[in-house]
Amino acid sequence: DAGITQSPRHKVTETGTPVTLRCHQTENHRYMYWYRQDPGHGLRLIHYSYGVKDTDKGEVSDGYSVSRSKTEDFLLTLESATSSQTSVYFCAISRLAGEQYFGPGTRLTVT
Amino acid sequence: AQSVTQLDSHVSVSEGTPVLLRCNYSSSYSPSLFWYVQHPNKGLQLLLKYTSAATLVKGINGFEAEFKKSETSFHLTKPSAHMSDAAEYFCVVSKGTYKYIFGTGTRLKVLA
Repeated sequence: DAGITQSPRHKVTETGTPVTLRCHQTENHRYMYWYRQDPGHGLRLIHYSYGVKDTDKGEVSDGYSVSRSKTEDFLLTLESATSSQTSVYFCAISRLAGEQYFGPGTRLTVT
Repeated sequence: AQSVTQLDSHVSVSEGTPVLLRCNYSSSYSPSLFWYVQHPNKGLQLLLKYTSAATLVKGINGFEAEFKKSETSFHLTKPSAHMSDAAEYFCVVSKGTYKYIFGTGTRLKVLA
């Protein structure tokens, strides 16, 4: 398995609170991604990074921000969590044009 | 624009019978194509990938897929289903940079 970990693996939080999810890799891959997975939607890209401090928005970025201060870490922050952000979040890494490797996921519940 | 369509949201097969999971893609240039498998409460695992080499691609666990440009298809097959194949399968298309487009998934059920 590719060396990707996500923390926390499960989280329950209240509406309006900030939440940060962490993705950590040991593969030194340049590209990192955050997806959310919801029934009937497959995986949808939230944000991605193409290098340290280089990030860009995906198709469902509203309400989310990211940061990448080191090659190995990619953080996803929900500024003010809403119930619509209840989902399973996956981090992925890749080389340019290569296959992606996925982390184990974080199940987030916003009450 | 790129897109990918998985034609069946659910497929049921009996153990020992062939598996066919269908995927059509739309791309204005030669794409990279991938199949991933996701077992319950797990992350996605790469089954196989097509990147403009051989059109018949062999993957892990006996799966294979054939790239058919004329039909814009990349269907996933396996000659004989095993109970452990029960999972959700995703077809993914990439134009060769950072952007990957996911299908909505096909849930495979294997009957004993």
